Amino acid sequence: GENVEQHPSTLSVQEGDSAVIKCTYSDSASNYFPWYKQELGKGPQLIIDIRSNVGEKKDQRIAVTLNKTAKHFSLHITETQPEDSAVYFCAASQRSGAGSYQLTFGKGTKLSVIP
Amino acid sequence: GAGVSQTPSNKVTEKGKYVELRCDPISGHTALYWYRQSLGQGPEFLIYFQGTGAADDSGLPNDRFFAVRPEGSVSTLKIQRTERGDSAVYLCASSLIPSSNNEQFFGPGTRLTVL
Repeated sequence: GENVEQHPSTLSVQEGDSAVIKCTYSDSASNYFPWYKQELGKGPQLIIDIRSNVGEKKDQRIAVTLNKTAKHFSLHITETQPEDSAVYFCAASQRSGAGSYQLTFGKGTKLSVIP
Repeated sequence: GAGVSQTPSNKVTEKGKYVELRCDPISGHTALYWYRQSLGQGPEFLIYFQGTGAADDSGLPNDRFFAVRPEGSVSTLKIQRTERGDSAVYLCASSLIPSSNNEQFFGPGTRLTVL
């Protein structure tokens, strides 16, 4: 099955600096890569996603890049703000033999933005 | 509109007891997923429903775990003879249609503690 590795596990940045989180996946059949933000006591919330036919996607301060050949994708947050502090998860998805599209998640990155 | 809701938000039980966890997906979403999130980890897939049927239960850890979705909307995850290792946050997610390009919306989760 799919395996997703995520680095770093913790990341501290000064407010206004950029943050980069990197993930690798193992199954070349994966074709959808969402990023979720999870705040304490809440469920994961999608912040951006990318599909395998696209190399880069940007939404305001957030961007994601995908390298299918190397099987890695990254999240970039620019001009970080204290409210960006949370745990971020990358995930990969493909259609399983049983017809589901379950997500395989990385272990998460705890981002702390220091004011 | 209303998002995915889960009840109860917290459940404390004793080892060996039976528990039921409820998920109300977003209205009209046909795909429903259950995930389990242990402390410091990413969510892990348990079971997927397309409509009323459990199309993929490959993530259920053993036969003490069972889930139903009798009318294609609300789903209940059932755990028999609970063990301390079952303690985790149980997350439910729904999507409009089952596809790799379709966002999964997560609920806030049920935190299960087995004493």
